[in-house]
Amino acid sequence: NAGVTQTPKFQVLKTGQSMTLQCAQDMNHEYMSWYRQDPGMGLRLIHYSVGAGITDQGEVPNGYNVSRSTTEDFPLRLLSAAPSQTSVYFCASSYGGGSYEQYFGPGTRLTVT
Amino acid sequence: AQSVTQLDSQVPVFEEAPVELRCNYSSSVSVYLFWYVQYPNQGLQLLLKYLSGSTLVKGINGFEAEFNKSQTSFHLRKPSVHISDTAEYFCAVSETGANNLFFGTGTRLTVIP
Repeated sequence: NAGVTQTPKFQVLKTGQSMTLQCAQDMNHEYMSWYRQDPGMGLRLIHYSVGAGITDQGEVPNGYNVSRSTTEDFPLRLLSAAPSQTSVYFCASSYGGGSYEQYFGPGTRLTVT
Repeated sequence: AQSVTQLDSQVPVFEEAPVELRCNYSSSVSVYLFWYVQYPNQGLQLLLKYLSGSTLVKGINGFEAEFNKSQTSFHLRKPSVHISDTAEYFCAVSETGANNLFFGTGTRLTVIP
């Protein structure tokens, strides 16, 4: 099993550009989520999904869109990048939310200039 | 709503000395509690979790944590640290029955030779 994979590892964007961060898992997990990690702020939940076709907002959803057309994939879209979105982004998956261990991808380091 | 406080942002400790990383949480409902570790340039990995039952929880790499409901704490301990324990440690909480994790701001543990 590859676990949770994320692409790209690094990305530099100019303000106003759009892009999609890819996340895939091969563990047949129902629950997937996106976090951003900023210095001194820990991880904050952006969006999550409890199954294909179902998504919901987390703590910091503004400026991001998600969709879940398959169990395996959960892409995160930045529609118009802003410098405040400079961060490290982690995708995670688990059998369910709550009590289950979340498995994290290696992260995408995004810089918006 | 839940919140998690990790009082120490950085903890330096000499090799083979004991360490305690502190975590306090606030919630109006029952919670699950977790400790995750992040090694440099990697994603997060679960160290241990408390769901119910015994308040002393043992995890990987010799770590353990004790749930104290009256003090709303879930401190992480290791009796003798190694250089390889140098990493960032995150405490996280989830409401029972809910999907999402809320993370603390992290504690950077540095083990000094």
